[in-house]
Amino acid sequence: AQTVTQSQPEMSVQEAETVTLSCTYDTSESDYYLFWYKQPPSRQMILVIRQEAYKQQNATENRFSVNFQKAAKSFSLKISDSQLGDAAMYFCAYRSPSAGGGADGLTFGKGTHLIIQP
Amino acid sequence: DTAVSQTPKYLVTQMGNDKSIKCEQNLGHDTMYWYKQDSKKFLKIMFSYNNKELIINETVPNRFSPKSPDKAHLNLHINSLELGDSAVYFCASSQGKRTQFFGPGTRLTVL
Repeated sequence: AQTVTQSQPEMSVQEAETVTLSCTYDTSESDYYLFWYKQPPSRQMILVIRQEAYKQQNATENRFSVNFQKAAKSFSLKISDSQLGDAAMYFCAYRSPSAGGGADGLTFGKGTHLIIQP
Repeated sequence: DTAVSQTPKYLVTQMGNDKSIKCEQNLGHDTMYWYKQDSKKFLKIMFSYNNKELIINETVPNRFSPKSPDKAHLNLHINSLELGDSAVYFCASSQGKRTQFFGPGTRLTVL
């Protein structure tokens, strides 16, 4: 079974600075999907960024980018120019490819609580 | 306009009761899921449905039963509620292997 590890229960960063959240995973599969989800105090789960394992290029979405190291099974999230609205729990998640239909659930890490200092 | 909706958002009930949580998605997705988020914020898959077929059942007690009347709905029924069932339950949907979109969650409190 796949496992996802987020080793930082909590991180703090000054507004406008850059912060990197760590995620490692364990799998024997060669093709899979990785995600970062954000959960603000409203508890809504919001997709931040997605990466397909077969793509070598790191995904980026505005101020959010990932450092995907397939051999090291590492998938870190970098947030540039941190804003107060970035304060939230961040979850790293893994998804297996499936034979058909894609009906596989996500395996989540335990999350990192990100605090933005004004 | 809500993509994935859940009702109710909050549910407070006594031990031993039976309750249901409803989920609807208007995205035309073919797969729906239920996740449980415990008090430590850990999220775990409970079920998924693809075209009305149960695909995953992750060692969830049989007091929990998902019911899907059609592709757009996946309801969660819980019998004989226990204190340990207190959690936030999330519904999600996806089209095949694509990104899963989550509902707003239902906070269940069992007294």
